[in-house]
Amino acid sequence: QVQLQQWGAGLVKPSETLSLTCAVYDGSSSDYYITWIRQPPGKGLEWIGEIHHAGSTNYNPSLKSRLVISVDMSKNEFSLNLNSVTAADTALYYCARNNSRGIFDVWGQGTMVTVSS
Amino acid sequence: DTVMTQTPLFLSVTPGQPASISCKSTQSLLHSDGKTYVFWYVQKAGQPPQLLIHELSNRFSGVPDRFTGSGSGTDFTLKISRVEADDAGVYYCMQSIQLPYSFGQGTKLEIK
Repeated sequence: QVQLQQWGAGLVKPSETLSLTCAVYDGSSSDYYITWIRQPPGKGLEWIGEIHHAGSTNYNPSLKSRLVISVDMSKNEFSLNLNSVTAADTALYYCARNNSRGIFDVWGQGTMVTVSS
Repeated sequence: DTVMTQTPLFLSVTPGQPASISCKSTQSLLHSDGKTYVFWYVQKAGQPPQLLIHELSNRFSGVPDRFTGSGSGTDFTLKISRVEADDAGVYYCMQSIQLPYSFGQGTKLEIK
């Protein structure tokens, strides 16, 4: 059974870079995207972007200038880096497996990231 | 970008009664491949969202048949035939016909 385990710094200073990693365990197939989704406190869901196991990416235009999503295939680890963060980037960040164009069938546990000095 | 608008934003339902959530998109979610790319997720307290319905009306594995997705074009509905206590949570519709994928604001379902 596929599991996603995510980790990263929970507190980031304004103007610095938010970095998160999502590891995929027990995955037999590699034909999927890993998607990053965030949820500000008390608010709804925002799609951040995604990366295919082979490396192709899609980004939300609202974040594209600050965003890099990458993959280390040797470790089956997917990373999100968001630079120049502000308080507006404070959110619960999830990674999820996009099995087929929107079928987010497996989710990480979520990482709360607070942007504050 | 495609905007998804849900109504109502809050729903309070007695166990055993039906519930219905509407979702409207600013563009048709019917793809040329014949599929309609609207999804329904539920987020229960303290948990990540979980998939209920994919591509308009297909229940995800393990989802009870009390949950039904329907609609066409730009208007969609999630219906719960008989609400149970475990159904409490926030329900989101989502579109994946166009990047960036986008979610509705969420509908909080309270069980009386």
